[in-house]
Amino acid sequence: QSALTQPASVSGSPGQSITISCTGTSSDVGSYNLVSWYQQHPNKAPKLMIYEVSKRPSGVSNRFSGSKSGNTASLTISGLQAEDEADYYCCSYASSSTPNYVFGTGTKVTVL
Amino acid sequence: QVQLVQSGAEVKKPGASVKVSCKASGYTFTSYYMHWVRQAPGQGLEWMGIINPSSGYTNYAQKFQGRVTMTRDTSTSTVYMELSSLRSEDTAVYYCAREGCGGDCSSDAFDFWGQGTMVTVSS
Repeated sequence: QSALTQPASVSGSPGQSITISCTGTSSDVGSYNLVSWYQQHPNKAPKLMIYEVSKRPSGVSNRFSGSKSGNTASLTISGLQAEDEADYYCCSYASSSTPNYVFGTGTKVTVL
Repeated sequence: QVQLVQSGAEVKKPGASVKVSCKASGYTFTSYYMHWVRQAPGQGLEWMGIINPSSGYTNYAQKFQGRVTMTRDTSTSTVYMELSSLRSEDTAVYYCAREGCGGDCSSDAFDFWGQGTMVTVSS
C-alpha cells in the first residue's frame, strides 16, 4: 500500500486560507468516505481534526474544513493563525479483505 | 477523560524484540478498537495494525506481518505491541491510538493518542 500524496509544504499569511491536497487511488480515497486529517506539532502526538472527509470532532475550530473529489481529499484552513503552524497528515481506509489504513506523506504548514 | 498512557523509551540491539504497552482509562476499554502507528525520526506516520480489545482480533499491515504481535489484557485495560527481529529502520516513536471520532461515536479515525514511546535500535 503506497502512502497518499501530499505537498511537502504550504504557507500563508495570518488571516488567509490555505488548502492541503491528499491524493490517493480508487482503492482508498476514491472508494471510501473515510478520510481523516491530523495536526501534529513538534514532538507531540497527532490530533484528529477531520474525520469521514468533512466532519469535525467536538472542540475543533470551524476554521478547519474537509472535502473530497474523486481520488483527492482536501483540508482547508481559513483565517490562518500562528498556532496552525504544524505538520498535517491525511489518512484513508483502504480496500482489503481485512482492515487496512494508509497515511499521507505529510505537509508542513508555515504561517508567514 | 480519555487517556492513553504508554510505557517508557526503549533501547534495543538489532535482532532483539521490544514490547510497548498502552494503558487506557476514561472510557469502556472493550468498546473501541485500538491501533498502533509509528513515526521514524523526521518521517511521516505509518499504520501498523489494529486490535479489538473485546475479542482480541488483530489485523496487521502487510509490512509487519510475521514480526508484530498485538495483545490485550482486559483486566488492566492495557494493549501491547511487540515487534521482533528489530533492525535500525525500526527506530521510531510508536503510538497507540483509539479508533473513534472524539465522543460516543464510531468512525475509522483515530481520536485519542498515547504520548508515544521512542524505540531506538542500535548496536
